[in-house]
Amino acid sequence: NAGVTQTPKFRILKIGQSMTLQCTQDMNHNYMYWYRQDPGMGLKLIYYSVGAGITDKGEVPNGYNVSRSTTEDFPLRLELAAPSQTSVYFCASSYFTGFNQPQHFGDGTRLSIL
Amino acid sequence: GQQVMQIPQYQHVQEGEDFTTYCNSSTTLSNIQWYKQRPGGHPVFLIQLVKSGEVKKQKRLTFQFGEAKKNSSLHITATQTTDVGTYFCAGRGETSGSRLTFGEGTQLTVNP
Repeated sequence: NAGVTQTPKFRILKIGQSMTLQCTQDMNHNYMYWYRQDPGMGLKLIYYSVGAGITDKGEVPNGYNVSRSTTEDFPLRLELAAPSQTSVYFCASSYFTGFNQPQHFGDGTRLSIL
Repeated sequence: GQQVMQIPQYQHVQEGEDFTTYCNSSTTLSNIQWYKQRPGGHPVFLIQLVKSGEVKKQKRLTFQFGEAKKNSSLHITATQTTDVGTYFCAGRGETSGSRLTFGEGTQLTVNP
C-alpha cells in the first residue's frame, strides 16, 4: 500500500518554464489537497478537490492550476514559473468529509526556480 | 479569514525535560488536528480533538482542546531525541465550507 505518491522529488526550473507536479493515491480517498511549505513556515493550501471532476481554490491559488479526472490522481500545474514559487509542495488526501478527517501526506516535491 | 497562531516558534530542551506548544485561533473551531514533521520529512497526523475541554493522551504526549474551542496545546513529558521535529496544529472553523488552517509550527530540538 503506497499511500500518497508524489513525483518528482526534486526539480529545478528556470523562470518562465512550466511543469506539472504529479500526485496519486491508492487509498480511494475522495478528498485531495495541494499545499506549499516555505522554509520555516506552515502549510498553505493551494487547491483542493472533493472528488473527481470537482476542484476549488485554497488560500494561495494564483500561478497554479489543477485537474481531477480520476479519484486517484490530482496533478498540480505551474505555468510561467516565478522565483516566489520556490517551495516544497505537498499533496495530501483524506476520507469522506475532508477537513475533519486526518490528512495523509506524500513525501513532497522540492522545487527551486532560478 | 481564520488565523491559527502557534507559540513558541522554536524550543530547545535537554533530553528528559518537558515541552509544550500552544495553538490559538482567531475564531471558534469545530475541530483541531495535530501533526508532526520530522526534518526533511512530511507531516504525519497525530490526533484530532473535537469536543470542548477534550483531553487525549498518546504515551508521553497530552493534547488539550480549550473550553471555548479557540485554543489547544500539546505537552510532551520527558522528551526523547526521537521527539525532534516540527509540531503543527491545524484548525477548522465552525462555519459551513471552512477549511483546515495550519499554524506555523513549533520546531523542537532535543539535546541528548
